[in-house]
Amino acid sequence: NAGVTQTPKFRVLKTGQSMTLLCAQDMNHEYMYWYRQDPGMGLRLIHYSVGEGTTAKGEVPDGYNVSRLKKQNFLLGLESAAPSQTSVYFCASSYQGMGSGANVLTFGAGSRLTVL
Amino acid sequence: DQQVKQNSPSLSVQEGRISILNCDYTNSMFDYFLWYKKYPAEGPTFLISISSIKDKNEDGRFTVFLNKSAKHLSLHIVPSQPGDSAVYFCAATVIAETNALNFGKGTSLLVTP
Repeated sequence: NAGVTQTPKFRVLKTGQSMTLLCAQDMNHEYMYWYRQDPGMGLRLIHYSVGEGTTAKGEVPDGYNVSRLKKQNFLLGLESAAPSQTSVYFCASSYQGMGSGANVLTFGAGSRLTVL
Repeated sequence: DQQVKQNSPSLSVQEGRISILNCDYTNSMFDYFLWYKKYPAEGPTFLISISSIKDKNEDGRFTVFLNKSAKHLSLHIVPSQPGDSAVYFCAATVIAETNALNFGKGTSLLVTP
């Protein structure tokens, strides 16, 4: 039972390079999220998706794009990486519903990105 | 502006004693609150939650208390164990919206033997 899997786990980029972080979940969850964690800042929502083919902006969306072509995958792209995007990125998913369990997000192990 | 606040960046407690982690929120629309635990190099894992219609929820050594009028919640860990040493994040959300969680900055708990 893999849960939420993020690839790659580590990546070093130069300013201006592009890359894509992949998130895959095997729980048949409708909702998926990308957060970033910075020292002293907690977790901040970048983008999220409430279903296949849909995406929406979160709290800190600038400099990122996302796609949800398949229900199980949520991709986070950096078109032109900047040092300010050095962070640890977490993907999460949850099921759709009204029950209290629907608000429990399951997180991946994180992807550490360094932009030089 | 941060809607969920954890004002204590760190807390140190002796093994066997009670750990109390605090959290305040500003958005009165929040109706569901969660605590997550995070070890280094791992993702956050769900610990315990509480609905706004309750004022207490207990799960083993972990109890969460909610004071809606004060917009305050707390996590009690009794007794504290060295394995509880981790960063604890408070989170809040509005049920039936996007399920997205608003997180506090976290409190690093160290339980010493």
